[in-house]
Parts: sequence; C-alpha cells; structure tokens
Amino acid sequence: GIQVEQSPPDLILQEGANSTLRCNFSDSVNNLQWFHQNPWGQLINLFYIPSGTKQNGRLSATTVATERYSLLYISSSQTTDSGVYFCASGYSTLTFGKGTMLLVSP
Amino acid sequence: SAVISQKPSRDICQRGTSLTIQCQVDSQVTMMFWYRQQPGQSLTLIATANQGSEATYESGFVIDKFPISRPNLTFSTLTVSNMSPEDSSIYLCSVEQEYEQYFGPGTRLTVT
Repeated sequence: GIQVEQSPPDLILQEGANSTLRCNFSDSVNNLQWFHQNPWGQLINLFYIPSGTKQNGRLSATTVATERYSLLYISSSQTTDSGVYFCASGYSTLTFGKGTMLLVSP
Repeated sequence: SAVISQKPSRDICQRGTSLTIQCQVDSQVTMMFWYRQQPGQSLTLIATANQGSEATYESGFVIDKFPISRPNLTFSTLTVSNMSPEDSSIYLCSVEQEYEQYFGPGTRLTVT
C-alpha cells in the first residue's frame, strides 16, 4: 500500500513564527486530508485537498498530486496550534503519516 | 459535517476483560471505520463496518479480538476482547461524507 512520510517529525516554534509541514507519498495521492490532533486527542479536519491550494485563516495547504506531496503552512503561530498534525490519503480507508508534533511556546 | 459521539470517553480495565465502545453518528452513513492509535503513534485502521454485512478487517486485526456490530446506518460498536496492556490505545470511529473523513472524539483505553 501507499507509504506516507511526514516531515519534520517534531517542531518547536515561538509564538508568531511561521512554519511549513510536508507530506510525501509513495504512490498516487487520493483524497488527501490534513488533520490536527489536539492535546485531548480530538482529530480536527483542517483541509480536504486532493490538489491545488486552499486557505483558511492562518492556515493554508497545497497539494501537488503529480509530484506526490502536500504542504501545510501555518502563519503567525499561536499556542493553540500545538498538537500533532497528520496527513492522510485514501479512498474511504485512510493511510496516515506518522505526524508532525508541533509545540508553540509563548 | 458529521457529528460523531463515542462512549465511553475513557476507561481503565483489567487484563482479560472486554470493553465495548459505542459510536453514534448524527446522519445515516454507509460505512463506518474503526481506528486504533497506540501511545505516541499514528492511526491504524482496524476495520470497516457496513450495515447488514460482516465487517472487513485489516491485516493484523481479527474478528475474535475486535468484534464489530453495525445494526443500523447511524450506530456501530467495537469490542476489545480479552484485553492485555498492549491494547492500551485511543480507539476512534470515523465516517466519510463527500470524500472527507470525520472522527469521533475517541475512547482512551488503559489496560492494567
């Protein structure tokens, strides 16, 4: 099956900094999604982005399906952005990357 | 987007016992999914539950250990049987709507 590789595995930022998270895929990208898992374990949908670019407030995402990668941009980070960010791909059944653990300090 | 609830939200169980986790969705869906997240790890799909048919299990997961019920289009249960400390995980159910997957809040299970 598809392999999903996320980088970096860990990231520490000062509040207000910007960051880019990356997701590489070993095979064709299908129905790519980005999630944020908050410290309480809840998975929150950020983007459904099989291709192209989307923006939602301070977050934006870009998927280049032909090159099998996706990027998540976080601008002006806040402490509430802390948690684990996952990308996942698949038709109905998702294959998840190992996640990027983000810590934003005040 | 779908609203999903799970019960219990957390539990501490003794080894050798079983726990049944409930998942309720606010709309009818064809497929429901069960995932496991071991401590510090990513999510792994356990099985897909369709109403009116047997669940489809992923490699490494078996029905005797993780029996699933799907009595209607808004509800499913996952049982973790004969538990051992290795079963300590977060168990999440999810549904798909218009190609996006939505997750319940999870059940945090600790086996002692």
